[in-house]
Amino acid sequence: LAKTTQPISMDSYEGQEVNITCSHNNIATNDYITWYQQFPSQGPRFIIQGYKTKVTNEVASLFIPADRKSSTLSLPRVSLSDTAVYYCLVGDPLGGGYNKLIFGAGTRLAVHP
Amino acid sequence: EPEVTQTPSHQVTQMGQEVILRCVPISNHLYFYWYRQILGQKVEFLVSFYNNEISEKSEIFDDQFSVERPDGSNFTLKIRSTKLEDSAMYFCASSEALPETTNEKLFFGSGTQLSVL
Repeated sequence: LAKTTQPISMDSYEGQEVNITCSHNNIATNDYITWYQQFPSQGPRFIIQGYKTKVTNEVASLFIPADRKSSTLSLPRVSLSDTAVYYCLVGDPLGGGYNKLIFGAGTRLAVHP
Repeated sequence: EPEVTQTPSHQVTQMGQEVILRCVPISNHLYFYWYRQILGQKVEFLVSFYNNEISEKSEIFDDQFSVERPDGSNFTLKIRSTKLEDSAMYFCASSEALPETTNEKLFFGSGTQLSVL
């Protein structure tokens, strides 16, 4: 069972780059790392997913070192609308299948003007 | 972009009453899930559903909970006799991923806020 650890909260200002690091020391060989974003009173929303090295999309970048024991979500030039809770998840194997994702407490990011 | 639709957005019920929360997953998805989030707490897994049967459930999903896919589009969560502590936001989610893959991407609905009085 790959457990994740991430900071409870972070503060930033508009226009800054924000990096949220997640530790997952027990990640399994076949596990992917996935980040979700959740705004108040909404369901989590997929942001980015990766297995190793670096992944970039229109929203964020994900950096994964060679040992895969951690990952860093990078949000370039945040705005007030990026204020949300960010969850780092890894696959949770049950027997032969991977059929649920377990959310931790997440990182509550507050972006200030 | 396709989305998961949940109805109603808010549901108020009396303790002991039955409620049914409804969800329309994304049409080509094969896996369906229910999660819940008590105010101020983390998102908790309840149940996953694949091929018309429950594939995994948490300890929260006891005998008062049931899920059903009554037709080709709807996915429902029934709480038989609601308790005060069932008050939460309930999220439905769906994914394309099959059991053999690990790179699941879940698409969540906007949730149903259930208030048990």
